[in-house]
Amino acid sequence: GENVEQHPSTLSVQEGDSAVIKCTYSDSASNYFPWYKQELGKRPQLIIDIRSNVGEKKDQRIAVTLNKTAKHFSLHITETQPEDSAVYFCAASKTDKLIFGTGTRLQVFP
Amino acid sequence: EAGVAQSPRYKIIEKRQSVAFWCNPISGHATLYWYQQILGQGPKLLIQFQNNGVVDDSQLPKDRFSAERLKGVDSTLKIQPAKLEDSAVYLCASTFAGSTEAFFGQGTRLTVV
Repeated sequence: GENVEQHPSTLSVQEGDSAVIKCTYSDSASNYFPWYKQELGKRPQLIIDIRSNVGEKKDQRIAVTLNKTAKHFSLHITETQPEDSAVYFCAASKTDKLIFGTGTRLQVFP
Repeated sequence: EAGVAQSPRYKIIEKRQSVAFWCNPISGHATLYWYQQILGQGPKLLIQFQNNGVVDDSQLPKDRFSAERLKGVDSTLKIQPAKLEDSAVYLCASTFAGSTEAFFGQGTRLTVV
């Protein structure tokens, strides 16, 4: 079955810097790659997603890139703000079942 | 639009006791998922329903876990008997049939002592 690896497990950045989180997946048939943000004690919320027919997608300060050949995708956050501090999860899916990575705890220091 | 509702929010039980969690998905969402999220890990799929039928329960420890969605709307997840390693947040999520955008509930934090 699908396996998703996520790195790094923790990431600390200064406010205004960029943050990059990377994921790799094992099943080449996976075609949907969402990113979820989970604040402490709250539910995971979808922040951006990308499908396998697209190489890059951007939404304001957040972007996701996908390399199908290498089977990896990345989340890029520019101009980070303290409210970006949370745990971020990547996921991969080829049907309607999401397989999640282990999460990255992002801390943005003022 | 109302979100996915779960109850209770927190539960503390002793090992070998039983516990049940409830989930009400977003109206019209045919697909419902139960995930287990152990502290520091990503959500792990336990079971997936399409309406009132089970699509995937390959990761459900069936000797102690059970789930049902009898009328294709609300769902319950039960653990009997609970073990210490069952301590986790149990998340319910739902989607429209065939959709991949999952909406999550707040989760139930289970502590087994």
